Amino acid sequence: DSGVTQTPKHLITATGQRVTLRCSPRSGDLSVYWYQQSLDQGLQFLIQYYNGEERAKGNILERFSAQQFPDLHSELNLSSLELGDSALYFCASSARLAGVYEQFFGPGTRLTVL
Amino acid sequence: LAKTTQPISMDSYEGQEVNITCSHNNIATNDYITWYQQFPSQGPRFIIQGYKTKVTNEVASLFIPADRKSSTLSLPRVSLSDTAVYYCLVGADSNYQLIWGAGTKLIIKP
Repeated sequence: DSGVTQTPKHLITATGQRVTLRCSPRSGDLSVYWYQQSLDQGLQFLIQYYNGEERAKGNILERFSAQQFPDLHSELNLSSLELGDSALYFCASSARLAGVYEQFFGPGTRLTVL
Repeated sequence: LAKTTQPISMDSYEGQEVNITCSHNNIATNDYITWYQQFPSQGPRFIIQGYKTKVTNEVASLFIPADRKSSTLSLPRVSLSDTAVYYCLVGADSNYQLIWGAGTKLIIKP
């Protein structure tokens, strides 16, 4: 157990709909990252937040948005969903422990768009 | 654009030592090298990180030559449960973990 939680575990919806994925980082971690992983593909970085502010942006579509709240949990909003948005969405938080920089990943949310 | 190149897949057998090499010709002075392991439908998990020479922990070793243009993850005496995808990442501080390559799919056979 990484200490990062994500809800829901599974989400099934239809094209054109909007969904919200939620992530709670490990206690004390200020950074939250969102990744998308399509079937048998590598991880695609979407966006990073640090202590409530956007820190870095990857290949995030305009239909997608995210935010990090004062309690440090984060939400990823996906709108106007398309079939190609079906994927595993991972959230991670990070820390430097004993001189090593490490990301801790949550269990993921599996999104299926029908 | 990924900064690393690693084999797409590898096979080995239980009890063998497995070495996965990653090429990173454009590694910068401040860059670290990190390896993650990912099982199907799970988030990646940190394995090991190093800067130069050799690093060893309870699960793996990381060998980095003097020019640092490549690195080798060594898994001693693998078991079936080591079947997973292994990612090599290069970079400094927090930014480097944003660009993930395709990884190496390792299959361990009985």
